[in-house]
Amino acid sequence: DAGITQSPRHKVTETGTPVTLRCHQTENHRYMYWYRQDPGHGLRLIHYSYGVKDTDKGEVSDGYSVSRSKTEDFLLTLESATSSQTSVYFCAISESSADSNQPQHFGDGTRLSIL
Amino acid sequence: DQQVKQNSPSLSVQEGRISILNCDYTNSMFDYFLWYKKYPAEGPTFLISISSIKDKNEDGRFTVFLNKSAKHLSLHIVPSQPGDSAVYFCAAQAETSYDKVIFGPGTSLSVIP
Repeated sequence: DAGITQSPRHKVTETGTPVTLRCHQTENHRYMYWYRQDPGHGLRLIHYSYGVKDTDKGEVSDGYSVSRSKTEDFLLTLESATSSQTSVYFCAISESSADSNQPQHFGDGTRLSIL
Repeated sequence: DQQVKQNSPSLSVQEGRISILNCDYTNSMFDYFLWYKKYPAEGPTFLISISSIKDKNEDGRFTVFLNKSAKHLSLHIVPSQPGDSAVYFCAAQAETSYDKVIFGPGTSLSVIP
């Protein structure tokens, strides 16, 4: 299994509070991704990173920010959590580039509930 | 509008029989397709893929078929086993944009012993 660790695995918080989710990899892969999984929508890309300090928006980036200060760590921050951000969040890593496809490997997810 | 569609949210199959999971896509730029399998409380894992230059790819009990003219692909599992019970996501990538993957909503497969 690819070395991907997500923390925390579960979190319950209140509307309006900041939340940071962490993804840590030991594979030295260049690309890292944050997805959210919701019923009927599958996995939707929030943000991704193609290198240290290099990030870009995905399909559902509003209300989220990311940072990647080291190759191995990719942080997802909800500055002011809302109930619509209750979801299961997955981190993924890949050696893909824009012109070379490789499968993504996923962490086990963070279940986030915002009350 | 979803670019990758899996119109069956769930499917039940008897153990030993064939499972057929279907996927349709709308973007003609997609040229690489993948299937991921997901168990509860775990992340998705890559199962099998197919390039648009092929119409079939086989890996053990799993075969993916691609019909480009119909923008349709299917995953066949033969024979189905109880351990195959999971959610299956169809996914697609476009040439020159392989760093992004577009996922379908998933189909939950139950294999009944």
